[in-house]
Amino acid sequence: SQQGEEDPQALSIQEGENATMNCSYKTSINNLQWYRQNSGRGLVHLILIRSNEREKHSGRLRVTLDTSKKSSSLLITASRAADTASYFCATHSSAGNKLTFGGGTRVLVKP
Amino acid sequence: DTAVSQTPKYLVTQMGNDKSIKCEQNLGHDTMYWYKQDSKKFLKIMFSYNNKELIINETVPNRFSPKSPDKAHLNLHINSLELGDSAVYFCASSRGAETTEAFFGQGTRLTVV
Repeated sequence: SQQGEEDPQALSIQEGENATMNCSYKTSINNLQWYRQNSGRGLVHLILIRSNEREKHSGRLRVTLDTSKKSSSLLITASRAADTASYFCATHSSAGNKLTFGGGTRVLVKP
Repeated sequence: DTAVSQTPKYLVTQMGNDKSIKCEQNLGHDTMYWYKQDSKKFLKIMFSYNNKELIINETVPNRFSPKSPDKAHLNLHINSLELGDSAVYFCASSRGAETTEAFFGQGTRLTVV
């Protein structure tokens, strides 16, 4: 199974609402990253949170990390139609220099 | 300027053919990757190169052979294409093999018919 698994798989909200998605992983990590993928495009890095951090903010994004539960959440506040995309978490493990991605959460923000 | 560029963007080919996908990054990064994204959007790492040296090979069939002529380029050659190879292939790079964010190309949609 995937190292990072996002929940929910899909999310539909109205513009202005908040969107929250979660990521669970299995092994110990150096950091966890969130990426966005617009339809037909490559992935774009959003935010990185290190294993010794619990919360991080970047603009309308808020990421939390709970290493005891091996989980992270991404909150997008005051969503916009332009936030419509798939969001992926990726873990960088302590062993092995690679990013392992989950299956993504597809977010639809309706105007 | 495109940071990570890969060509072609679309590739349609018949089973049994051999094809290559090229990737170049102008970010001065040391590490480059190939990922495969299947129809369910799962992204799986295939290879990772650090300074032209292979550091990760994730049990990919040996029909797939990466080539890194220099640290700015990582090409992917696929022999004897099969229907199951149809996917979107992404090249990416990062400053180092550890911890840093990855920059992705736009992807190559490969369709094997």
